Amino acid sequence: GAGVSQSPRYKVAKRGQDVALRCDPISGHVSLFWYQQALGQGPEFLTYFQNEAQLDKSGLPSDRFFAERPEGSVSTLKIQRTQQEDSAVYLCASSPGQVRNTIYFGEGSWLTVV
Amino acid sequence: SQQGEEDPQALSIQEGENATMNCSYKTSINNLQWYRQNSGRGLVHLILIRSNEREKHSGRLRVTLDTSKKSSSLLITASRAADTASYFCATATNTPLVFGKGTRLSVIA
Repeated sequence: GAGVSQSPRYKVAKRGQDVALRCDPISGHVSLFWYQQALGQGPEFLTYFQNEAQLDKSGLPSDRFFAERPEGSVSTLKIQRTQQEDSAVYLCASSPGQVRNTIYFGEGSWLTVV
Repeated sequence: SQQGEEDPQALSIQEGENATMNCSYKTSINNLQWYRQNSGRGLVHLILIRSNEREKHSGRLRVTLDTSKKSSSLLITASRAADTASYFCATATNTPLVFGKGTRLSVIA
Protein backbone atom coordinates (compact mmCIF):
# COMPACT_ATOMS: atom_id res chain seq x y z
CA GLY A 1 0.00 0.00 0.00
CA ALA A 2 0.93 3.64 -0.25
CA GLY A 3 1.21 4.29 3.46
CA VAL A 4 1.82 2.60 6.79
CA SER A 5 -1.12 0.40 7.67
CA GLN A 6 -2.03 -0.58 11.23
CA SER A 7 -4.62 -3.01 12.55
CA PRO A 8 -6.80 -3.15 14.43
CA ARG A 9 -7.64 0.55 14.52
CA TYR A 10 -9.55 0.12 17.74
CA LYS A 11 -9.22 -2.59 20.36
CA VAL A 12 -10.99 -2.96 23.69
CA ALA A 13 -9.35 -5.53 25.92
CA LYS A 14 -10.30 -6.80 29.33
CA ARG A 15 -7.61 -6.42 31.94
CA GLY A 16 -5.36 -9.47 31.84
CA GLN A 17 -6.03 -10.23 28.19
CA ASP A 18 -3.21 -10.46 25.64
CA VAL A 19 -3.34 -8.23 22.55
CA ALA A 20 -1.44 -8.15 19.28
CA LEU A 21 -1.14 -5.05 17.14
CA ARG A 22 -0.01 -5.31 13.54
CA CYS A 23 1.95 -2.86 11.41
CA ASP A 24 2.49 -3.01 7.66
CA PRO A 25 5.22 -0.49 6.79
CA ILE A 26 5.70 1.26 3.49
CA SER A 27 7.14 -1.21 1.01
CA GLY A 28 10.93 -1.14 0.98
CA HIS A 29 11.32 0.79 4.23
CA VAL A 30 14.08 -0.82 6.26
CA SER A 31 13.43 1.03 9.53
CA LEU A 32 10.33 0.47 11.61
CA PHE A 33 9.41 2.17 14.87
CA TRP A 34 6.76 1.71 17.52
CA TYR A 35 5.63 4.63 19.67
CA GLN A 36 3.07 4.87 22.46
CA GLN A 37 0.95 8.00 22.78
CA ALA A 38 -1.14 8.71 25.85
CA LEU A 39 -4.04 11.13 25.60
CA GLY A 40 -2.83 14.70 25.30
CA GLN A 41 0.84 13.69 25.21
CA GLY A 42 3.49 13.32 22.55
CA PRO A 43 4.56 9.96 21.15
CA GLU A 44 6.96 8.03 23.41
CA PHE A 45 9.47 5.70 21.76
CA LEU A 46 9.04 1.99 22.39
CA THR A 47 11.26 0.06 19.99
CA TYR A 48 13.06 0.17 16.63
CA PHE A 49 13.87 -2.38 13.94
CA GLN A 50 16.25 -2.22 11.07
CA ASN A 51 15.07 -4.97 8.74
CA GLU A 52 14.45 -7.94 11.04
CA ALA A 53 16.92 -6.86 13.71
CA GLN A 54 15.52 -5.19 16.80
CA LEU A 55 18.22 -2.59 17.41
CA ASP A 56 16.66 -0.69 20.27
CA LYS A 57 13.98 -1.79 22.72
CA SER A 58 14.86 0.60 25.49
CA GLY A 59 11.42 2.20 25.50
CA LEU A 60 9.39 -0.93 26.16
CA PRO A 61 7.83 -0.24 29.57
CA SER A 62 7.90 -3.78 30.92
CA ASP A 63 8.57 -7.38 29.97
CA ARG A 64 4.86 -7.67 29.13
CA PHE A 65 5.64 -5.80 25.92
CA PHE A 66 7.21 -7.70 23.04
CA ALA A 67 7.76 -6.74 19.41
CA GLU A 68 8.92 -8.70 16.41
CA ARG A 69 9.56 -8.25 12.71
CA PRO A 70 10.61 -11.73 11.63
CA GLU A 71 10.93 -11.16 7.87
CA GLY A 72 11.92 -7.54 7.94
CA SER A 73 8.55 -6.29 6.78
CA VAL A 74 5.38 -6.66 8.87
CA SER A 75 5.79 -6.09 12.59
CA THR A 76 3.68 -7.14 15.55
CA LEU A 77 3.60 -5.50 18.96
CA LYS A 78 2.30 -7.86 21.60
CA ILE A 79 1.16 -6.85 25.05
CA GLN A 80 0.62 -9.63 27.55
CA ARG A 81 -1.67 -9.48 30.57
CA THR A 82 -2.87 -5.97 29.69
CA GLN A 83 -3.36 -3.43 32.46
CA GLN A 84 -5.35 -0.21 32.51
CA GLU A 85 -2.21 1.91 32.20
CA ASP A 86 -1.55 0.27 28.82
CA SER A 87 -4.52 2.20 27.40
CA ALA A 88 -3.05 4.45 24.71
CA VAL A 89 -2.62 4.85 20.99
CA TYR A 90 0.15 2.67 19.57
CA LEU A 91 1.74 4.31 16.56
CA CYS A 92 3.88 2.53 14.02
CA ALA A 93 6.19 4.43 11.70
CA SER A 94 8.62 3.47 8.98
CA SER A 95 11.53 5.09 7.22
CA PRO A 96 13.63 4.21 4.19
CA GLY A 97 16.89 5.01 5.94
CA GLN A 98 18.58 6.09 9.09
CA VAL A 99 16.94 6.89 12.41
CA ARG A 100 17.54 10.62 11.96
CA ASN A 101 15.48 10.81 8.77
CA THR A 102 11.82 11.66 8.30
CA ILE A 103 9.52 8.89 9.46
CA TYR A 104 6.06 8.07 8.14
CA PHE A 105 3.33 7.20 10.60
CA GLY A 106 0.31 4.96 10.40
CA GLU A 107 -3.05 6.02 11.82
CA GLY A 108 -2.42 4.15 15.06
CA SER A 109 -4.10 1.40 17.03
CA TRP A 110 -6.27 2.73 19.87
CA LEU A 111 -6.13 0.35 22.81
CA THR A 112 -8.54 0.65 25.71
CA VAL A 113 -8.12 -1.74 28.63
CA VAL A 114 -11.23 -2.11 30.79
CA SER B 1 11.52 10.56 28.19
CA GLN B 2 10.78 13.55 26.02
CA GLN B 3 13.57 15.88 25.04
CA GLY B 4 11.65 18.51 23.15
CA GLU B 5 9.23 20.74 24.96
CA GLU B 6 6.78 22.88 23.03
CA ASP B 7 5.46 26.20 24.15
CA PRO B 8 2.65 27.15 24.45
CA GLN B 9 0.75 23.97 25.28
CA ALA B 10 -2.34 25.40 23.62
CA LEU B 11 -2.93 28.32 21.28
CA SER B 12 -6.18 29.73 19.97
CA ILE B 13 -6.19 32.28 17.14
CA GLN B 14 -8.50 33.78 14.53
CA GLU B 15 -8.34 32.68 10.93
CA GLY B 16 -5.87 34.80 9.01
CA GLU B 17 -3.60 35.42 11.99
CA ASN B 18 -0.11 33.98 12.33
CA ALA B 19 0.64 31.17 14.78
CA THR B 20 4.02 30.73 16.43
CA MET B 21 5.05 27.64 18.36
CA ASN B 22 8.35 27.13 20.13
CA CYS B 23 10.38 24.07 20.93
CA SER B 24 13.26 23.76 23.36
CA TYR B 25 15.51 20.75 23.67
CA LYS B 26 18.40 19.58 25.81
CA THR B 27 21.13 17.82 23.85
CA SER B 28 23.02 18.30 20.59
CA ILE B 29 21.05 17.26 17.55
CA ASN B 30 21.57 16.26 13.94
CA ASN B 31 18.30 17.82 12.83
CA LEU B 32 14.95 18.92 14.18
CA GLN B 33 11.62 18.02 12.62
CA TRP B 34 8.08 19.30 12.99
CA TYR B 35 5.05 17.05 12.69
CA ARG B 36 1.34 17.71 12.70
CA GLN B 37 -1.39 15.48 14.08
CA ASN B 38 -5.09 15.92 13.40
CA SER B 39 -7.40 14.59 16.08
CA GLY B 40 -7.55 10.81 15.98
CA ARG B 41 -4.99 10.48 13.21
CA GLY B 42 -1.32 9.67 12.86
CA LEU B 43 1.45 12.24 12.69
CA VAL B 44 2.40 13.83 9.39
CA HIS B 45 5.85 15.24 8.70
CA LEU B 46 5.90 18.97 7.93
CA ILE B 47 9.49 20.12 7.71
CA LEU B 48 13.05 19.16 8.67
CA ILE B 49 15.79 21.63 9.54
CA ARG B 50 19.40 20.48 9.86
CA SER B 51 21.66 21.60 12.67
CA ASN B 52 23.73 23.75 10.28
CA GLU B 53 20.65 25.59 9.00
CA ARG B 54 19.11 28.61 10.68
CA GLU B 55 15.87 29.05 8.78
CA LYS B 56 13.74 27.09 6.37
CA HIS B 57 10.50 27.79 4.51
CA SER B 58 7.84 25.55 3.08
CA GLY B 59 4.68 27.20 1.79
CA ARG B 60 3.07 29.01 4.75
CA LEU B 61 5.51 27.39 7.19
CA ARG B 62 8.68 29.00 8.46
CA VAL B 63 11.01 27.19 10.83
CA THR B 64 13.98 28.65 12.65
CA LEU B 65 16.67 26.86 14.61
CA ASP B 66 19.03 28.34 17.17
CA THR B 67 21.46 25.63 18.25
CA SER B 68 23.19 27.93 20.75
CA LYS B 69 19.90 28.31 22.62
CA LYS B 70 18.75 24.78 21.77
CA SER B 71 15.45 26.09 20.49
CA SER B 72 13.32 26.12 17.37
CA SER B 73 10.19 27.92 16.32
CA LEU B 74 7.45 27.07 13.83
CA LEU B 75 5.52 29.94 12.28
CA ILE B 76 2.32 29.31 10.33
CA THR B 77 1.30 32.41 8.40
CA ALA B 78 -2.24 33.34 7.37
CA SER B 79 -3.72 30.49 9.37
CA ARG B 80 -6.82 28.60 8.22
CA ALA B 81 -9.40 26.58 10.13
CA ALA B 82 -7.87 23.47 8.53
CA ASP B 83 -4.61 24.19 10.39
CA THR B 84 -6.35 23.19 13.64
CA ALA B 85 -4.24 20.30 14.94
CA SER B 86 -1.50 19.40 17.41
CA TYR B 87 2.04 20.24 16.38
CA PHE B 88 5.07 18.34 17.66
CA CYS B 89 8.77 18.95 17.39
CA ALA B 90 11.08 15.95 17.24
CA THR B 91 14.82 15.93 17.73
CA ALA B 92 17.06 13.64 15.69
CA THR B 93 20.38 12.30 16.83
CA ASN B 94 21.72 8.77 16.32
CA THR B 95 18.74 7.33 18.14
CA PRO B 96 15.09 7.23 17.13
CA LEU B 97 13.24 10.54 17.05
CA VAL B 98 12.29 12.00 20.42
CA PHE B 99 9.03 13.97 20.41
CA GLY B 100 7.83 16.79 22.61
CA LYS B 101 4.41 17.01 24.21
CA GLY B 102 3.02 19.21 21.48
CA THR B 103 1.17 22.47 21.00
CA ARG B 104 -2.55 22.24 20.39
CA LEU B 105 -3.53 24.89 17.85
CA SER B 106 -7.12 25.97 17.36
CA VAL B 107 -7.89 28.28 14.44
CA ILE B 108 -11.31 29.87 14.73
CA ALA B 109 -13.13 30.79 11.54
